[in-house]
Amino acid sequence: ELKVEQNPLFLSMQEGKNYTIYCNYSTTSDRLYWYRQDPGKSLESLFVLLSNGAVKQEGRLMASLDTKARLSTLHITAAVHDLSATYFCAVRTGANNLFFGTGTRLTVIP
Amino acid sequence: DTGVSQNPRHKITKRGQNVTFRCDPISEHNRLYWYRQTLGQGPEFLTYFQNEAQLEKSRLLSDRFSAERPKGSFSTLEIQRTEQGDSAMYLCASSPSLGTSFNNEQFFGPGTRLTVL
Repeated sequence: ELKVEQNPLFLSMQEGKNYTIYCNYSTTSDRLYWYRQDPGKSLESLFVLLSNGAVKQEGRLMASLDTKARLSTLHITAAVHDLSATYFCAVRTGANNLFFGTGTRLTVIP
Repeated sequence: DTGVSQNPRHKITKRGQNVTFRCDPISEHNRLYWYRQTLGQGPEFLTYFQNEAQLEKSRLLSDRFSAERPKGSFSTLEIQRTEQGDSAMYLCASSPSLGTSFNNEQFFGPGTRLTVL
């Protein structure tokens, strides 16, 4: 059974600090996605990682993928309040649907 | 706005009633997906269309659920004889086919929040 686990589930951090969210998955997958969700809103695509060693950066967020370890990370640099949201990683299954992780609820404290 | 749209945004119904939701994907996308998201959880896959063909259904999609995409454009998701456990956010997403987008990135609509009383 496919499992996608994120760590931590809840993260409270001060503005200006750095932190990393981890996403472990249990089966081979060629694509890893990161999404952001604000309360009561839909999902916004952040990153698509397509190959081992892929690294993508947008603003204060940087995502990486290690397919051999079945691990992706989302690194937050110098957090600001606007980054407060729930972050999901998802892997593409053998079909074309996405299997989502448990989510990490991030709160950035001024 | 050329994103994925869903209607209605909110639906409150009584147990046992039927409900139908609509999704309009991004116009050039031929793949359409339905997901369900309960409070505090990640979205769970329900079903997937390539054009008008329904190619995959999750075991979560019980006999009370049916989805259609008759002309390969908009899609409807119907739930018959609703139960309280059906209360959730129903999300629709679309993506281009592999021929036009290698990464198969899915773009999500705003969702329909269903409350079954």
